[in-house]
Amino acid sequence: ETGVTQTPRHLVMGMTNKKSLKCEQHLGHNAMYWYKQSAKKPLELMFVYNFKEQTENNSVPSRFSPECPNSSHLFLHLHTLQPEDSALYLCASSQEGGQPQHFGDGTRLSIL
Amino acid sequence: GEDVEQSLFLSVREGDSSVINCTYTDSSSTYLYWYKQEPGAGLQLLTYIFSNMDMKQDQRLTVLLNKKDKHLSLRIADTQTGDSAIYFCAESSGYSSASKIIFGSGTRLSIRP
Repeated sequence: ETGVTQTPRHLVMGMTNKKSLKCEQHLGHNAMYWYKQSAKKPLELMFVYNFKEQTENNSVPSRFSPECPNSSHLFLHLHTLQPEDSALYLCASSQEGGQPQHFGDGTRLSIL
Repeated sequence: GEDVEQSLFLSVREGDSSVINCTYTDSSSTYLYWYKQEPGAGLQLLTYIFSNMDMKQDQRLTVLLNKKDKHLSLRIADTQTGDSAIYFCAESSGYSSASKIIFGSGTRLSIRP
């Protein structure tokens, strides 16, 4: 078990669809993160949650909507995405901010 | 803002040592990390070092930190085909909820037979 589990692993959706990405961590951590990894671009931090409260929104478009119902679960709700949103979306968690982060295997998202 | 830089590619012969280098700008770094990403997978935390240390060894991996020059390196001894991956250098400072990890762009390590 990796400790951080992301579902689905792959997702293909049209620009008008609504879908959600799920992340679950079994490490007892208090901070969770969403990152976007695109080809030939550095890893981009999207959102940070500490103790279920959002502490960082890195100028992410509103078509991405995060939700953190408890310290173990993190969602990314997707709506009206654009082709340039196709990427690998990675979830991570850490005990607290600034401490080593543990990553899931990501969701590979393709927008048609 | 703070920055982490590393070369994009490294090619080594199987059985040789690989050395991946990284420089960073944050003089108040607390942790420095090496992550490994294999195709189709997320980032795996390989090892990390506290900024008050200058070396850490873990089996085939040796991390060296030169804090004065803000230089971090990862040495992989006896490189194997399974070591083929992208290696990310990263750093963070502080322990608050505002503390973030800053990642480099990754070094793609390829192994020649």
